[in-house]
Amino acid sequence: DTAVSQTPKYLVTQMGNDKSIKCEQNLGHDTMYWYKQDSKKFLKIMFSYNNKELIINETVPNRFSPKSPDKAHLNLHINSLELGDSAVYFCASSQDQGLASNEQFFGPGTRLTVL
Amino acid sequence: DAKTTQPPSMDCAEGRAANLPCNHSTISGNEYVYWYRQIHSQGPQYIIHGLKNNETNEMASLIITEDRKSSTLILPHATLRDTAVYYCIVRVAQVNSGYSTLTFGKGTMLLVSP
Repeated sequence: DTAVSQTPKYLVTQMGNDKSIKCEQNLGHDTMYWYKQDSKKFLKIMFSYNNKELIINETVPNRFSPKSPDKAHLNLHINSLELGDSAVYFCASSQDQGLASNEQFFGPGTRLTVL
Repeated sequence: DAKTTQPPSMDCAEGRAANLPCNHSTISGNEYVYWYRQIHSQGPQYIIHGLKNNETNEMASLIITEDRKSSTLILPHATLRDTAVYYCIVRVAQVNSGYSTLTFGKGTMLLVSP
């Protein structure tokens, strides 16, 4: 029943490893996003995908590579993890029809800890 | 998107109305005012939005001043579960699909006490 789901909820890994976070939405939305919330609790947009196409990439290092196999999924793959990547990552979705009045639905977040 | 200013924290007694202010003095005519909240360890949750007129839904009311330079989110009967960080965000009204991202500020930490 969860509208936007993410796996895993917690991820602890060593520096230099490669990891992926998965996101799925069952709302039929055509736009999905990844946000990062750092230790100071600032929430910032990373990527935006519309109909499986990358729309926004907000100066994110190319170690981060989003992949959208279909409209319902937007996965985040991170190569060569660094200490600074430790954060909570939120996936979101919305039904954009050219209007910004549509709300975004957020997933529960994935807490990534890089040791 | 226009910047917003919110008090860093507020307290409210359970059962009372919580009035959360937001200043957005540089808002443009085509920008909406949005409110989201984030309960501890959860993802942000949409509350309400408006352009010019006051709005009400099952969660809250949004009062926008006539000059649109400020707004107030009202939780009419705050409960302990309303303790959260509340974000006021302004965003352009017409965007191409996929460009309607949200720019979160620091928000207001609302603490509802028994």
